[in-house]
Amino acid sequence: RKEVEQDPGPFNVPEGATVAFNCTYSNSASQSFFWYRQDCRKEPKLLMSVYSSGNEDGRFTAQLNRASQYISLLIRDSKLSDSATYLCVVNGPGGSYIPTFGRGTSLIVHP
Amino acid sequence: EPEVTQTPSHQVTQMGQEVILRCVPISNHLYFYWYRQILGQKVEFLVSFYNNEISEKSEIFDDQFSVERPDGSNFTLKIRSTKLEDSAMYFCASSRDTSTNEKLFFGSGTQLSVL
Repeated sequence: RKEVEQDPGPFNVPEGATVAFNCTYSNSASQSFFWYRQDCRKEPKLLMSVYSSGNEDGRFTAQLNRASQYISLLIRDSKLSDSATYLCVVNGPGGSYIPTFGRGTSLIVHP
Repeated sequence: EPEVTQTPSHQVTQMGQEVILRCVPISNHLYFYWYRQILGQKVEFLVSFYNNEISEKSEIFDDQFSVERPDGSNFTLKIRSTKLEDSAMYFCASSRDTSTNEKLFFGSGTQLSVL
C-alpha cells in the first residue's frame, strides 16, 4: 500500500466552483500533515498545515480524520490562479519527521 | 521572506560523469534535505542532514550519492557516476527543526539531465 495516496485528477472546474481533494495515508503513527502547492516545474510551497480540529485559511479549509487516516482540502470560490498541483504531505513513515509526499492532485480552473 | 537558493538551475551531463548540486539553506535553519522529482512523478525523499551528519536516507540514496556541508552556508549533493535514470529535478529544503508542523522551505530546484 502506498504511504500517501491521492487521486491524480485532473480536476477541471469553472471559476467560482468549490472543489475538494482527499488524501489517505498508511502510517497510523503519522503526526504532522500538510498541503503544499506546486506549480508546473516549480518547487513545492506550503499552502497550509492540517490540524486535528480542522483549520481554515481564507478560501481554503483543511480537515483531518485520524480514524480513517485521511486528509481533505476544500477550495471555495476557485480562482484561475488556483490552477496547480496540490500535494498532500505526511510526516513518516515509522514516526520519523521526514515529510513524505503524495503524488499530487492536479487542479485546472477555467474561465 | 528568507529563501533557499540552489545552483545551477539546469545541469546537463554525460552518463558516468560526476555532478555536484549546490544549495544554500536559510541561515538559521538546522535541518537540511534533498528531494528529487522525476518528470510526472511524485516528490521523493533522498536524505536529511543535521549536525554535520546524515540523519535519515531513503533506498534511492545509494553509494553513488553523498552529501556534504563544506562550510557554514553551503549544502551539496554529489552524484558520483550519473545514470540516465538520475535525470530529475532535485530540490533542496531546510527547516528550523523537526517539531510537529515545522514546515519545509524549498529551493527552486536544479534540473539534472543525464545524456
